[in-house]
Amino acid sequence: GAVVSQHPSRVICKSGTSVKIECRSLDFQATTMFWYRQFPKQSLMLMATSNEGSKATYEQGVEKDKFLINHASLTLSTLTVTSAHPEDSSFYICSAVKGGSVTEAFFGQGTRLTVV
Amino acid sequence: QQPVQSPQAVILREGEDAVINCSSSKALYSVHWYRQKHGEAPVFLMILLKGGEQKGHEKISASFNEKKQQSSLYLTASQLSYSGTYFCGTEMNYGGSQGNLIFGKGTKLSVKP
Repeated sequence: GAVVSQHPSRVICKSGTSVKIECRSLDFQATTMFWYRQFPKQSLMLMATSNEGSKATYEQGVEKDKFLINHASLTLSTLTVTSAHPEDSSFYICSAVKGGSVTEAFFGQGTRLTVV
Repeated sequence: QQPVQSPQAVILREGEDAVINCSSSKALYSVHWYRQKHGEAPVFLMILLKGGEQKGHEKISASFNEKKQQSSLYLTASQLSYSGTYFCGTEMNYGGSQGNLIFGKGTKLSVKP
């Protein structure tokens, strides 16, 4: 199966600082990547769709100025949580779609963000 | 539109069977099933495309009834390793980005010895 690497796996930051999370497709090109957020014991909530070379599409209720997404290449998308606050603490997961007739989404390992 | 999963939780003894259902109010292009262990990323189980297909992998199988916009995941002779939260992810029947999955709230499955 295809491999998606997400980094870092865990990060603790101070309130008011920014944190960047990377999502890389290691053995395939992903024109589209997705960013999800998951609170404890809850489902994965889609935050945004990241398209290579264009602006990300954000889901309703997600602040685009707070969650900056950059998809600079076919193998890398980044999510930057700006001016983080404790309520931003969550598990963030990216997924990448491998092209073809069947769209299987491959997930990264996830990033546990704790804002103190 | 978030799909509805049922049941929310189920406890089984090793060797017992379980069915997890996923339904949507919207027309679906595909249904994806994932299992997530605590603190880990979801792991892909299978995809079902419109056409009413049924798939299986060892003792885990699934069906997709596109007319009813429902999918069911069948776990037979459950093993301890089946424990986890199962999510269905649905892909809508429109010309949007492929892979844009909307996940249900999950079904927590616990298999006891």
